Amino acid sequence: GESVGLHLPTLSVQEGDNSIINCAYSNSASDYFIWYKQESGKGPQFIIDIRSNMDKRQGQRVTVLLNKTVKHLSLQIAATQPGDSAVYFCAEIPLTSGGSYIPTFGRGTSLIVHP
Amino acid sequence: DTGVSQNPRHKITKRGQNVTFRCDPISEHNRLYWYRQTLGQGPEFLTYFQNEAQLEKSRLLSDRFSAERPKGSFSTLEIQRTEQGDSAMYLCASSLAGPIDTEAFFGQGTRLTVV
Repeated sequence: GESVGLHLPTLSVQEGDNSIINCAYSNSASDYFIWYKQESGKGPQFIIDIRSNMDKRQGQRVTVLLNKTVKHLSLQIAATQPGDSAVYFCAEIPLTSGGSYIPTFGRGTSLIVHP
Repeated sequence: DTGVSQNPRHKITKRGQNVTFRCDPISEHNRLYWYRQTLGQGPEFLTYFQNEAQLEKSRLLSDRFSAERPKGSFSTLEIQRTEQGDSAMYLCASSLAGPIDTEAFFGQGTRLTVV
């Protein structure tokens, strides 16, 4: 959902449930997208990526869906575990020839998994 | 450890002092990025290098911020005359630019506190 003030959007789930985290990106020239997981006090950790010539990519327990028509990205986590609790960021990267290549981050979503 | 390494992990400094942070990227990576992250926000891009060339620096927050990557390997970020508003996590990331660009891997960050 939309963030208000300084508070991150938060998704609370029960252990074992599936989680879906959404991201709207802004640059229609973005051609490459990455989901990162960030635990408290640590740097962002790569989870999964997807390029614009795909609409779905699966990893271990994670699936990323890309809808370029509405500039929307989602991360699905199957059988969510307490260790999945973290802030999740999507990053968009425009692939412009000869131009800057700058991963740009949204504000993130805080995932809280209750045992 | 073959990941991105940042030093120091924590830095407390008095307002008005200069600070310098170091980043050692993954050895074969030719791109290196600096980001700043404040509480509740996503990483905010500051600058990036391809090899030793600084290709984008217009987003450095002020002229008190500067970065170098003299030999195309490690990089330093310096903040002169620190202010309390500079308190944040400073993140470094690296990636490999090529026919297909790879994801950026992040270090653990340097947390700066200006008192």
